[in-house]
Amino acid sequence: GAVVSQHPSRVICKSGTSVKIECRSLDFQATTMFWYRQFPKKSLMLMATSNEGSKATYEQGVEKDKFLINHASLTLSTLTVTSAHPEDSSFYICSARELDSLRQYFGPGTRLTVT
Amino acid sequence: GNSVTQMEGPVTLSEEAFLTINCTYTATGYPSLFWYVQYPGEGLQLLLKATKADDKGSNKGFEATYRKETTSFHLEKGSVQVSDSAVYFCALSYFSGAGSYQLTFGKGTKLSVIP
Repeated sequence: GAVVSQHPSRVICKSGTSVKIECRSLDFQATTMFWYRQFPKKSLMLMATSNEGSKATYEQGVEKDKFLINHASLTLSTLTVTSAHPEDSSFYICSARELDSLRQYFGPGTRLTVT
Repeated sequence: GNSVTQMEGPVTLSEEAFLTINCTYTATGYPSLFWYVQYPGEGLQLLLKATKADDKGSNKGFEATYRKETTSFHLEKGSVQVSDSAVYFCALSYFSGAGSYQLTFGKGTKLSVIP
């Protein structure tokens, strides 16, 4: 089946620094990628939708200057958390929609801890 | 708006017990409904889906029927195994104004099956 990878799986950073998370579709092309944030005991919250080669569409309440999304190719999207603060600590999950089937596949997630 | 409500966990069952995880939804229009499963350390995987009323999705012994009259999509399995231990997410798909389908998730229900 289709595989989506995320890197890193865990990251700890200091407050004020920036962190980049990569999301790759390993064996299929994805015109659309999604970034979610998951809080403990809460559902996945969609942060933004990105289409290859264009600007991401952010959900209401998500700061686009803080969460920079780049979708430079059909197999790679990146999320950069800029000037991270402890409240940004969370589990970030990406998802990629396959070009042909339109099925959506999820990455394993990245645990971000900001100290 | 669109939302999904699923039963709070965690749920602990003995092997071979009957499983039901309740899921109800609120949506405009006619969404597609999904159950995703997240095994420890892995990304979300599609377990089953139903695209219209009275459809029954099934996979790996799990079943769920799209009930429009009760706006429900309860997940059932007749005899659970230890390997079914995971977090289960109910979700609906809707067509967003940006010209794309998006998923809305429930909070997830953690299932633990003990031998």
